[in-house]
Amino acid sequence: EPEVTQTPSHQVTQMGQEVILRCVPISNHLYFYWYRQILGQKVEFLVSFYNNEISEKSEIFDDQFSVERPDGSNFTLKIRSTKLEDSAMYFCASSDFMASGLQETQYFGPGTRLLVL
Amino acid sequence: AQTVTQSQPEMSVQEAETVTLSCTYDTSESDYYLFWYKQPPSRQMILVIRQEAYKQQNATENRFSVNFQKAAKSFSLKISDSQLGDAAMYFCAYRSHNTDKLIFGTGTRLQVFP
Repeated sequence: EPEVTQTPSHQVTQMGQEVILRCVPISNHLYFYWYRQILGQKVEFLVSFYNNEISEKSEIFDDQFSVERPDGSNFTLKIRSTKLEDSAMYFCASSDFMASGLQETQYFGPGTRLLVL
Repeated sequence: AQTVTQSQPEMSVQEAETVTLSCTYDTSESDYYLFWYKQPPSRQMILVIRQEAYKQQNATENRFSVNFQKAAKSFSLKISDSQLGDAAMYFCAYRSHNTDKLIFGTGTRLQVFP
């Protein structure tokens, strides 16, 4: 069964450093998402991406964050200058279209645990 | 703004028994989708079941079923014949028909005892 994959599974970085989290969505999916889950808290939406541009973003997704689909398979989240509060599990998800044109169910990857020291 | 509430931080069930996890939500919209996701200790979010608000029939997936009460804005998950592998964090989630984002509840940790 097709799966969303994410690399790395764990990342430790120093405050102020740039990190890039990578995701390979399910191959025929057209919508891509990033969510984060700070330890012990809710899963929160960050951004959605469709047709090579941001479709929707939350207030969390400020100028420190960017997303890119550099090729036909990868989808990345970049944090330019990490802060302590960026420590979280970051989940990538992807979805397809339904026949009605609406989005299908979002399927999640296993997550990247980011620790900012 | 839409919100999702899971009032049970923890639940436990004996193996082979049935357990129901509660979820309520608040919205002024009539067209939306509801989901239950499972997050085992491995941390991967796995879709358990999905319900479209326009469908009156409750969704069922094998041992998992929902009780969708649209007027009451309630969306509970029933797990029948519980198995040890069902032990996980369960998240209820809402998505409006005209937005991309899922809105999650705080989760319910389910323990399954042999």
